[in-house]
Amino acid sequence: GQQVQQSPASLVLQEGENAELQCNFSSTATQLQWFYQSPGGSLVSLLSNPSGTKHTGRLTSTTVTKERRSSLHISSSQTTDSGTYLCAPYMGYKLTFGTGTSLLVDP
Amino acid sequence: EAAVTQSPRSKVAVTGGKVTLSCHQTNNHDYMYWYRQDTGHGLRLIHYSYVADSTEKGDIPDGYKASRPSQENFSLILELASLSQTAVYFCASSDWTGGDERLFFGHGTKLSVL
Repeated sequence: GQQVQQSPASLVLQEGENAELQCNFSSTATQLQWFYQSPGGSLVSLLSNPSGTKHTGRLTSTTVTKERRSSLHISSSQTTDSGTYLCAPYMGYKLTFGTGTSLLVDP
Repeated sequence: EAAVTQSPRSKVAVTGGKVTLSCHQTNNHDYMYWYRQDTGHGLRLIHYSYVADSTEKGDIPDGYKASRPSQENFSLILELASLSQTAVYFCASSDWTGGDERLFFGHGTKLSVL
């Protein structure tokens, strides 16, 4: 089955710094989504990106589908960005989640 | 914004007992999913459904049943709860229309089996 590796496992930033999160997956995927999980546990879809580069707000995702990798760039981090970021490639209407990158942004 | 409601928000169950987790969505999404989350394992798919009265096995279906009586409702049933089923359970819905699909999650149900 699909295996998803995310790196780094954890990251600590000072407010205002940028973050680069990586996602590598083992099998071909038709799409890929990035999710944010708050410290309280709620999950929110950030963006979906099958290939190429996609921007939303301070987030930029770049996916190279044939190389089975994606990245999420967070610019000018804020304390409210703290939480866990999950990537999930999908195939056949099923998403497989990585274990996430835990981000802590200090003021 | 899509709305997915789970109940209960938390539950304590006894080993061997029956547990039913409920999920309701109000956005006419065809697809609904049940995931469990454990520390170190991320989210793993238990069951999913793409139409009422039909369910499909996910990656870890053993020990779980699912029921989709209507488009809006999707339940997860643990007939004989075990200690290893202690986890946080998330329901989600989506409508795969070929565009910018997104998955919408409920707030989760924290299940403790004692």
